[in-house]
Amino acid sequence: KAGVTQTPRYLIKTRGQQVTLSCSPISGHRSVSWYQQTPGQGLQFLFEYFSETQRNKGNFPGRFSGRQFSNSRSEMNVSTLELGDSALYLCASSADRGKYGYTFGSGTRLTVV
Amino acid sequence: TQLLEQSPQFLSIQEGENLTVYCNSSSVFSSLQWYRQEPGEGPVLLVTVVTGGEVKKLKRLTFQFGDARKDSSLHITAAQPGDTGLYLCAGGAYGGATNKLIFGTGTLLAVQP
Repeated sequence: KAGVTQTPRYLIKTRGQQVTLSCSPISGHRSVSWYQQTPGQGLQFLFEYFSETQRNKGNFPGRFSGRQFSNSRSEMNVSTLELGDSALYLCASSADRGKYGYTFGSGTRLTVV
Repeated sequence: TQLLEQSPQFLSIQEGENLTVYCNSSSVFSSLQWYRQEPGEGPVLLVTVVTGGEVKKLKRLTFQFGDARKDSSLHITAAQPGDTGLYLCAGGAYGGATNKLIFGTGTLLAVQP
């Protein structure tokens, strides 16, 4: 059974640019959540998608957005990148909206220069 | 704001020693999940506990959920170098419009051979 696949693994962008990250959940999982991980703040919840609808959003500015497609694949977009957006972005999928646990991808390491 | 404090933040021990990691909050959670994360990878689910007072054992790892569902502990017996990693607790908040995991601050464990 394939795990959660995130692409790309590494990304270097310039301040002011925008970026799109992709996540393919485990087959059959309809819930996808995104997290930002930094050394200073730890894992911070960005948003959750279930059946193509955003169900929850964390405390991040509007520059962070996402969407989910009918096949449950999800993308997140960050516009007008800032240096502070440098982080490991993690996607997690679940069959039960996370109540009994998530399966995480390996993440996308974004560096903003 | 729901917060999960983990202690200790860092732990360096010798192979064969025992250790306990604590996860505390002033909030009640529907479930408590423990993950282990290795460098460059996403967190991997170790266990989920959902009932106050619940104890689960996974080989040398013992997890306990507090009676009031506000705290949890992870005890490792006879630690091995393969136990090295970042241990994260995560409180599940479910119901209504809320459905997300709140991650703890993390405990970085290094087991020396």
